[in-house]
Amino acid sequence: GDSVTQMEGPVTLSEEAFLTINCTYTATGYPSLFWYVQYPGEGLQLLLKATKADDKGSNKGFEATYRKETTSFHLEKGSVQVSDSAVYFCALSEPLTGNQFYFGTGTSLTVIP
Amino acid sequence: DAGITQSPRHKVTETGTPVTLRCHQTENHRYMYWYRQDPGHGLRLIHYSYGVKDTDKGEVSDGYSVSRSKTEDFLLTLESATSSQTSVYFCAISERRGQNTGELFFGEGSRLTVL
Repeated sequence: GDSVTQMEGPVTLSEEAFLTINCTYTATGYPSLFWYVQYPGEGLQLLLKATKADDKGSNKGFEATYRKETTSFHLEKGSVQVSDSAVYFCALSEPLTGNQFYFGTGTSLTVIP
Repeated sequence: DAGITQSPRHKVTETGTPVTLRCHQTENHRYMYWYRQDPGHGLRLIHYSYGVKDTDKGEVSDGYSVSRSKTEDFLLTLESATSSQTSVYFCAISERRGQNTGELFFGEGSRLTVL
């Protein structure tokens, strides 16, 4: 079945450091891939997405490229800020499964000044 | 922001009592979902709906039931709450975008404590 595996946390970085959060997936068809972010006490919100191979999603300085050959969708940011402290979730969805979404377990990021 | 309202936002109840959480959307999206979020487990799907009166089980459906009598409302019921159902519950909605799934939009969550 479909599944998502993402890097275990927690991750602690200094401000302006480079961020990578790894995400790999297993899917039977042609999924769409997503990164969601959850700030403390809030619901999840979409950070970026990609719907086909080699697409790059980007938002707020974050980027992720849909790599079908390595079944990966790693999240990167060149220079993190304290305000990026949150939990990040990788997810996939396949229309063949009736719009079901599969989430990774989340990676907690803390950015210190 | 997507128009999703969850109620109640916070509830404390006792073991054995019934509990109903409500999700209301104003986006006319076809798909609606209930997830629970627990430390170390991420998000786990309880039930989802792909249309009025059309629902299916997710990975952690035991002890939960759902109903969707209108497009805009998706109810989650715990018939007899247990302490293991203490969690934060999120409602979400989505819609198809051509051949692809659209993104999920989440409500703000309902924190349930079962004593």
